[in-house]
Amino acid sequence: QKEVEQNSGPLSVPEGAIASLNCTYSDRGSQSFFWYRQYSGKSPELIMFIYSNGDKEDGRFTAQLNKASQYVSLLIRDSQPSDSATYLCAVNMDKAAGNKLTFGGGTRVLVKP
Amino acid sequence: GAGVSQSPSNKVTEKGKDVELRCDPISGHTALYWYRQSLGQGLEFLIYFQGNSAPDKSGLPSDRFSAERTGGSVSTLTIQRTQQEDSAVYLCASSLSGGPGNTIYFGEGSWLTVV
Repeated sequence: QKEVEQNSGPLSVPEGAIASLNCTYSDRGSQSFFWYRQYSGKSPELIMFIYSNGDKEDGRFTAQLNKASQYVSLLIRDSQPSDSATYLCAVNMDKAAGNKLTFGGGTRVLVKP
Repeated sequence: GAGVSQSPSNKVTEKGKDVELRCDPISGHTALYWYRQSLGQGLEFLIYFQGNSAPDKSGLPSDRFSAERTGGSVSTLTIQRTQQEDSAVYLCASSLSGGPGNTIYFGEGSWLTVV
């Protein structure tokens, strides 16, 4: 079992719809959770982070965390073609190791006009 | 500089040769990370430097890989006797400190091809 798991996709959504991405993690002691967006050939850029159970909203993006079930999700509302990218879930799995992040394999999202 | 700077941006090397990849973190950032990303894959942690503490080398895949960070700033990742499976994008990142939750900023990567 991978430490951080994501569906590789592609997740195809029509423009204007909601894209829903899921991520599960193995370490129950994980504290910090991040979503990065990566365009093809580019480096990852941070979209959101979440530390507490529940929802966190930032513009069109909402991160949801459920530590009991060990999953974190990302919702993209009003999806735009510019949202087409790979979305990487990252988890700080070991508090003692500072800020080291473990990444999932990423979910490729394709928003169709 | 404004962002994390990496060089070279692209490197093609022959199998068996040594390569050095350089990273210049964001000014003032004490934490520095190296990750590797193979084609179509997620990011694989390699090594993490925090201030003057001993680096976390737990992700280095073999003893052919080493990294150093001089003066708490610039870092060099060295791969000795390169193999074809070393072909990947090597991403350097930095954060203001090594505390959990500090935003990690990535450089554009060094694309390594071993032929």
